[in-house]
Amino acid sequence: KQEVTQIPAALSVPEGENLVLNCSFTDSAIYNLQWFRQDPGKGLTSLLLIQSSQREQTSGRLNASLDKSSGRSTLYIAASQPGDSATYLCAVSGNTPLVFGKGTRLSVIA
Amino acid sequence: DVKVTQSSRYLVKRTGEKVFLECVQDMDHENMFWYRQDPGLGLRLIYFSYDVKMKEKGDIPEGYSVSREKKERFSLILESASTNQTSMYLCASASGIGFEQFFGPGTRLTVL
Repeated sequence: KQEVTQIPAALSVPEGENLVLNCSFTDSAIYNLQWFRQDPGKGLTSLLLIQSSQREQTSGRLNASLDKSSGRSTLYIAASQPGDSATYLCAVSGNTPLVFGKGTRLSVIA
Repeated sequence: DVKVTQSSRYLVKRTGEKVFLECVQDMDHENMFWYRQDPGLGLRLIYFSYDVKMKEKGDIPEGYSVSREKKERFSLILESASTNQTSMYLCASASGIGFEQFFGPGTRLTVL
């Protein structure tokens, strides 16, 4: 059964820092990996989707990479801002619905 | 722009009541999903549907049922609400399994 782990569970950084969030999964037979952002009490906002055949995707200050063979993905956030403070979740899809990690809670301090 | 809406942002019900949570998507997606999210447990899949009138159990279907009479609408039903069903409920849709999922704003349900 697919399991998704996100480390660290929480992270606090000063404004302006570049940072990396990690996601690992146990079964490399995936269709895609998706990164989401969740603000407190709100739904999930899709940030990036990486297909299994891709190595990375970029959107603005965000870059997500995927190494399927090692079961890892990273979300790189450049020049962090207080508005980036949120919980970031990764989720993988095989031939079943998405399996989610428990998220990394990010605080960017001004 | 992609849109998934949920009928209520906040809901308070009493133990034993029948509760309906509704989700509507405007993207003509085939697949729709219901999750609940609890601190420390993350998101857990309750039910999903890959076509009208079709449904599949997720990881935690006990105490819930679903209805999908029209493609755009997916309802989650708590037949007899209990306090352990107090949670954040999230609906999502996708054009298929393995495709990008889009989420609604969530319904915070409290059962007293």
